[in-house]
Amino acid sequence: ETGVTQTPRHLVMGMTNKKSLKCEQHLGHNAMYWYKQSAKKPLELMFVYSLEERVENNSVPSRFSPECPNSSHLFLHLHTLQPEDSALYLCASSQGRVRETGGPNNEQFFGPGTRLTVL
Amino acid sequence: GENVEQHPSTLSVQEGDSAVIKCTYSDSASNYFPWYKQELGKRPQLIIDIRSNVGEKKDQRIAVTLNKTAKHFSLHITETQPEDSAVYFCAALGGVGANSKLTFGKGITLSVRP
Repeated sequence: ETGVTQTPRHLVMGMTNKKSLKCEQHLGHNAMYWYKQSAKKPLELMFVYSLEERVENNSVPSRFSPECPNSSHLFLHLHTLQPEDSALYLCASSQGRVRETGGPNNEQFFGPGTRLTVL
Repeated sequence: GENVEQHPSTLSVQEGDSAVIKCTYSDSASNYFPWYKQELGKRPQLIIDIRSNVGEKKDQRIAVTLNKTAKHFSLHITETQPEDSAVYFCAALGGVGANSKLTFGKGITLSVRP
C-alpha cells in the first residue's frame, strides 16, 4: 500500500443516481488531486487541492463536485453522470504542489482508483 | 496550454534488449519532467524525473534524457526484464507558481517478450 486509499474500488451507477468517491491519504501530504483515466487517453487532471483549498478546476462539468474537508480526505461527488464519464478515477497526493525544483515534494502518490461505470 | 505526446503508442522488445520511449512537449517554459509506470491493474508510480537544467539522469537500468531545444525527452530502459512490461506515462510541468500544472501523455504500453 502506498498510503493512499480509495473507496469504492468499483461503482456502477445510473445516470440519475448520486454517489460519492472517497480518497484518504495517510502520508501527511498537503496536496491532493483527482484524475480521470480513460482508455487510450492521457491522465486528465480534474481538480487540485492544496492545504484544503481548491487551486485548480480544469473545466470539469458541474456534475462532478469535489470536497476536501481536511488535508487527509478528498471526495468526488457525482450527480447525473453520462455514459462517457465511465472511467478509472484516480486520487493522488503529494507533499506539496508539484514544483519545477523537483525533489520529494513533487512525487505524486496515486491511489488504486475507482472503476466507474455509468449505465 | 501544454500538450504532451508519446511515441510510439506500443512497443515490444525482447528480454535483455533496450527500450526507448520518447515524449514531446509544446510549452518551452516547461521545466520538470517525470515518468510514471503503471503495471496492469495497479496504480501509476513515479520511476524517474528530470529537471530542465539537467540533460540526463540515470538510476540503475533506467535513464532519462532531455533535449530542451527540440522539446523532447526520452526514457531509456536497458537489459529489459518481463517485469518492465507496463504502461509508461511521461508528463511535463508547465505554468508558473500557483498556476503550475502537470500534463500527462497518453501512455505507451511496453511489452517485454521472455
